[in-house]
Amino acid sequence: AQTVTQSQPEMSVQEAETVTLSCTYDTSENNYYLFWYKQPPSRQMILVIRQEAYKQQNATENRFSVNFQKAAKSFSLKISDSQLGDTAMYFCAFMKLNDYKLSFGAGTTVTVRA
Amino acid sequence: EAGVVQSPRYKIIEKKQPVAFWCNPISGHNTLYWYLQNLGQGPELLIRYENEEAVDDSQLPKDRFSAERLKGVDSTLKIQPAELGDSAVYLCASSSSGLKQFFGPGTRLTVL
Repeated sequence: AQTVTQSQPEMSVQEAETVTLSCTYDTSENNYYLFWYKQPPSRQMILVIRQEAYKQQNATENRFSVNFQKAAKSFSLKISDSQLGDTAMYFCAFMKLNDYKLSFGAGTTVTVRA
Repeated sequence: EAGVVQSPRYKIIEKKQPVAFWCNPISGHNTLYWYLQNLGQGPELLIRYENEEAVDDSQLPKDRFSAERLKGVDSTLKIQPAELGDSAVYLCASSSSGLKQFFGPGTRLTVL
């Protein structure tokens, strides 16, 4: 079974600044996908960014970027130019190739301060 | 495009009572998922459907939980009888490719 660990229960960041969320995972698979999901207080999970393990290039989506270190099994999320609307819980998730089952970490609560 | 619809949004019941949750996925999405999210934790998969077939129900506690997806569209998740430990948020998700899952707003269940 795959385990996903998010070691930071809470993070706080000033508006317009940058925050980095950590995620590590454990797997024996070589091909897989990694995701960051955002869950605001409304509870609706929203996909933020996806990384394919076979791609060396780190994924970026506007203000969101990842640092994928396959050998270290590390997958951090950087939020640049933080906005108040970024306040939410962020979950790191793992999916084996062709499995379509997401395994989530425990989440990191991000609070953006005005 | 309408998103994943779930109802009810909130449900409060007494233990030993039955409860049912309903999910309508995004139109055209063949894959439907039910997740359980305990407070302060990430979601855990309960069951995955491909059309009307349950292809992964290994995490579903079958003694009290059941699910169905008749006609391969909307789905119902049932708990009978509910226990105090079932208090959680029940999330439904759907996808067409598997790589991008779209989640509904969830149903928050409180068992007293």
